[in-house]
Amino acid sequence: AQTVTQSQPEMSVQEAETVTLSCTYDTSENNYYLFWYKQPPSRQMILVIRQEAYKQQNATENRFSVNFQKAAKSFSLKISDSQLGDTAMYFCAFMKLYSGAGSYQLTFGKGTKLSVIP
Amino acid sequence: EPEVTQTPSHQVTQMGQEVILRCVPISNHLYFYWYRQILGQKVEFLVSFYNNEISEKSEIFDDQFSVERPDGSNFTLKIRSTKLEDSAMYFCASSSLAGGYEQYFGPGTRLTVT
Repeated sequence: AQTVTQSQPEMSVQEAETVTLSCTYDTSENNYYLFWYKQPPSRQMILVIRQEAYKQQNATENRFSVNFQKAAKSFSLKISDSQLGDTAMYFCAFMKLYSGAGSYQLTFGKGTKLSVIP
Repeated sequence: EPEVTQTPSHQVTQMGQEVILRCVPISNHLYFYWYRQILGQKVEFLVSFYNNEISEKSEIFDDQFSVERPDGSNFTLKIRSTKLEDSAMYFCASSSLAGGYEQYFGPGTRLTVT
């Protein structure tokens, strides 16, 4: 079974600054995806960024980027130029890639509550 | 932009009653999921559905739960006899392989069992 660990229950950052959220995972699988989801106070789950394990290049999406270290099983999220709208709960998630099983369930970490301070 | 919708947004029910939570996944998606999030806790997988049958389920998804895709658009989660501990946010999600396995979540249904 896979486990996802987010060791920072809460973090804060000044507006316009950069913050990094940590995530580690444990798996014996070789083919998988990793995701960061954002959950604002509305509680809607919003996909932030995705990383395929077979890719060495770190994914980036505008102000969001990841540092994926496959050997260390680490997947951190960096938010640059933090904005007030980034205030949310951030969940790291793992997806094992089956072949033909018809299920690609996500395993989530406990989340990091990020507050952006004006 | 296509989105997953869920109804109702909030459901209050008495212990022992049956509830049906409804979801309309994105139209060209083939994989459907239910997750739940008890307040203050992490999101937990309940069940996945593909090709008109359950493809995987978690330990949480016991005999009181069932899922159905009654027509080409709706995807429902039924809880037969609700318990206090079923109070949670329930999220529906859908995905397609063409979309790179990304799961798109609905806004959730907050279930309160009294």
